[in-house]
Amino acid sequence: SQTIHQWPATLVQPVGSPLSLECTVEGTSNPNLYWYRQAAGRGLQLLFYSVGIGQISSEVPQNLSASRPQDRQFILSSKKLLLSDSGFYLCAWSIAGSKETQYFGPGTRLLVL
Amino acid sequence: QKEVEQDPGPLSVPEGAIVSLNCTYSNSAFQYFMWYRQYSRKGPELLMYTYSSGNKEDGRFTAQVDKSSKYISLFIRDSQPSDSATYLCAMSAIGTASKLTFGTGTRLQVTL
Repeated sequence: SQTIHQWPATLVQPVGSPLSLECTVEGTSNPNLYWYRQAAGRGLQLLFYSVGIGQISSEVPQNLSASRPQDRQFILSSKKLLLSDSGFYLCAWSIAGSKETQYFGPGTRLLVL
Repeated sequence: QKEVEQDPGPLSVPEGAIVSLNCTYSNSAFQYFMWYRQYSRKGPELLMYTYSSGNKEDGRFTAQVDKSSKYISLFIRDSQPSDSATYLCAMSAIGTASKLTFGTGTRLQVTL
């Protein structure tokens, strides 16, 4: 069976510091991968998605970036965090080329102070 | 106007009640419809997935899709306190790399 991991689970960072969140998927090959942000009381906002290694599509202009160095690894980064980057970050995967839906990881709660 | 509208609630019901959660959408290209359950501080968990108009049942849960009205519903029978969570509807169009558009979620509280 497939599992998806995210770490860290919780992160408190000062404004202006860098960020690196990691997501890995086990039990599947060549998945589509997604990064979402969920602000308090709001829906999920798609930030990035990837259909393969090195292939990243950005949905929302921001100071965040994403990379996919390996087939089942997806990283969300920032060089300088803003207060507005606080939120709940979720990674998800789906089966490439099918109509299957997305499966979410446990999330990372980020607080920028 | 948002592509997907969902009443944020909160919705409070007594244990054993039938719950109806709803979403409307404006994009006629949406063909796949999902309901996710999200407990506080956890990732969303897939509950139901359907791609055709009509009803789909899974245990106490029934998903209903009306494409002509651009309206989807999730019914929960015999609601339990463990059903207390936020319920998110999501939908996608063909050929979009499974990119989902989410509603903002409805918070449900089932009381004893």
